[in-house]
Amino acid sequence: QVQLVQSGAEVKKPGASVRVSCKVSGYTLTELSIHWVRQTPAKGLEWMGGYDPEEGEIIYAQKFQGRVTLTEDTSTHTAYMEVTGLRSEDTAVYYCAILRSAIYYYFDSWGQGTPVTVSS
Amino acid sequence: EIVLTQSPGTLSLSPGETTTLSCRASQSVSGSNLVWYQQKPGQAPRLLIYGASTRATGIPARFSGFGSGTDFTLTISRLEPEDFAVYFCQQYENSPWTFGQGTTVEI
Repeated sequence: QVQLVQSGAEVKKPGASVRVSCKVSGYTLTELSIHWVRQTPAKGLEWMGGYDPEEGEIIYAQKFQGRVTLTEDTSTHTAYMEVTGLRSEDTAVYYCAILRSAIYYYFDSWGQGTPVTVSS
Repeated sequence: EIVLTQSPGTLSLSPGETTTLSCRASQSVSGSNLVWYQQKPGQAPRLLIYGASTRATGIPARFSGFGSGTDFTLTISRLEPEDFAVYFCQQYENSPWTFGQGTTVEI
């Protein structure tokens, strides 16, 4: 049974950066495709990016390209999502999720979510 | 970008009733690339249906998905108290993968 445990809530000032972690248990990171989704009252759920097993690389939604960096540390079974140049609109709950991509695509396991508040 | 429009925004129902939620796509989505999630307050989304009509592991048979092209539905038969939640559709047809804005099913 795979489990995703995310780091705790963050409060940041505009312009700062935040890094959220997602620790995997029950599987190794190399067996999984971890993606990130955020949720805001204004925009709802937004897919940010993640590991594409077909391309063998991390892909990003165009909206987040350049300001979001997704990395993985296989030695600690932890995925990371970093957002730079934070703005108030980045205030959201950030989720990591496992993408299944055999015949069908879907996120079947999610972390508990990490609230990030951007405020001066 | 494919825009998914869900309707209605809110449904006020009673336990035991049956309801159908709609998800309309701005361009055609292969049925294999349409998914439904349920979300309760303070929780992450939970996978309900993938491939437009296949129930995820552990999802009761009262949840059923249907549709193709631009029109998809999620039917919940005989609502149970635990079914009152927000329901989202999502497409994997084109990047960026997008979600609908959600339908709230409330008592």
